[in-house]
Amino acid sequence: DQQVKQNSPSLSVQEGRISILNCDYTNSMFDYFLWYKKYPAEGPTFLISISSIKDKNEDGRFTVFLNKSAKHLSLHIVPSQPGDSAVYFCAASYGGTSYGKLTFGQGTILTVHP
Amino acid sequence: GAGVSQSPSNKVTEKGKDVELRCDPISGHTALYWYRQSLGQGLEFLIYFQGNSAPDKSGLPSDRFSAERTGGSVSTLTIQRTQQEDSAVYLCASSLDAWEKLFFGSGTQLSVL
Repeated sequence: DQQVKQNSPSLSVQEGRISILNCDYTNSMFDYFLWYKKYPAEGPTFLISISSIKDKNEDGRFTVFLNKSAKHLSLHIVPSQPGDSAVYFCAASYGGTSYGKLTFGQGTILTVHP
Repeated sequence: GAGVSQSPSNKVTEKGKDVELRCDPISGHTALYWYRQSLGQGLEFLIYFQGNSAPDKSGLPSDRFSAERTGGSVSTLTIQRTQQEDSAVYLCASSLDAWEKLFFGSGTQLSVL
């Protein structure tokens, strides 16, 4: 069973516009959520995270929103740049887990056109 | 090196053979993880090491999979009697103490023919 789902395999946006990547989860025990970014032939790199006690977290051009009632989170990138083109994974962790045991979504390929 | 290093980067093997995948974590990182990514799927947790012990090996898919870590550093993931469904990218990650900031290696692409 897929506990973390990214239903859009790909997203294409124009440079300067907003990119919105979505993620849904089914397990209400998840209480920490993360986004990772992956370029081809490289490992994923941590981007931004959010705890379930918050509904928004910002870091520069990246903002993550969490809607606990809908079990939905989204990553907003504003403005999008061609260098943002990569695969984006959302991930979730169980409450009380003190190590990096993460459940990942399938990933969304973001393409930002110049 | 500055990052997590994995070798080999690519491995092609025949069904039934054993393979060993190696991970060199970032120096000083006590936590080490193995994940795998099958085609079209997200990353799947396999095993977690703290130092040389593995408090969580719940993600290992079968007893054909084993892993060890020595000297609190290098880790080896061994797959015995490989099957075609073992074909995937195997990713190693390490972390110091802020666990959300896992640092991943580039992975080993395993193809079982």
